[in-house]
Amino acid sequence: DTEVTQTPKHLVMGMTNKKSLKCEQHMGHRAMYWYKQKAKKPPELMFVYSYEKLSINESVPSRFSPECPNSSLLNLHLHALQPEDSALYLCASSQVARGSYEQYFGPGTRLTVT
Amino acid sequence: GESVGLHLPTLSVQEGDNSIINCAYSNSASDYFIWYKQESGKGPQFIIDIRSNMDKRQGQRVTVLLNKTVKHLSLQIAATQPGDSAVYFCAEKGIGGFQKLVFGTGTRLLVSP
Repeated sequence: DTEVTQTPKHLVMGMTNKKSLKCEQHMGHRAMYWYKQKAKKPPELMFVYSYEKLSINESVPSRFSPECPNSSLLNLHLHALQPEDSALYLCASSQVARGSYEQYFGPGTRLTVT
Repeated sequence: GESVGLHLPTLSVQEGDNSIINCAYSNSASDYFIWYKQESGKGPQFIIDIRSNMDKRQGQRVTVLLNKTVKHLSLQIAATQPGDSAVYFCAEKGIGGFQKLVFGTGTRLLVSP
């Protein structure tokens, strides 16, 4: 199984809502990532989890809160978002080993903040 | 990778042509590079990677060339097909951790039959 799954595919939320994005992989990867991608732009790294611990936070606003409950699951909790947070949110996973850098991406969640 | 605005560079080719997509990278110390293909509505999909101790690597219908002297990477697609139409991103292993990939701005490839 070389698939990363993400739910939901689409999400529309108001600025006062609380919602969560979910990501799952069963490749035995111990690194998981959240990226944000705006239209016609490259993916931008938000967070990296390594062995279920947060290892990189790219100065993301606190209204985005990641969580890694176990080695297969990654969540992104959203609260009090702004319209400019509307984007495609991509999850990825990879092995944690020097020399093995390929990241496998999910299809993304298209988020619209109204 | 810095974004350069709302307009993706676009390469338009005819089916059957060979395509060459170029990428300039920023960090002369980068030792790993990867090409991804992103179709509309999907996440990026791995195509091929190359380490800095190589200058060429071939896959199925694709070849990546690395020129470290000028910090340039290219992806060659042989006999381009309509299914190759997508946005192509190069990425380099970033500073600050081997898990960081820094993506280039991307190139849209349009293949007409």
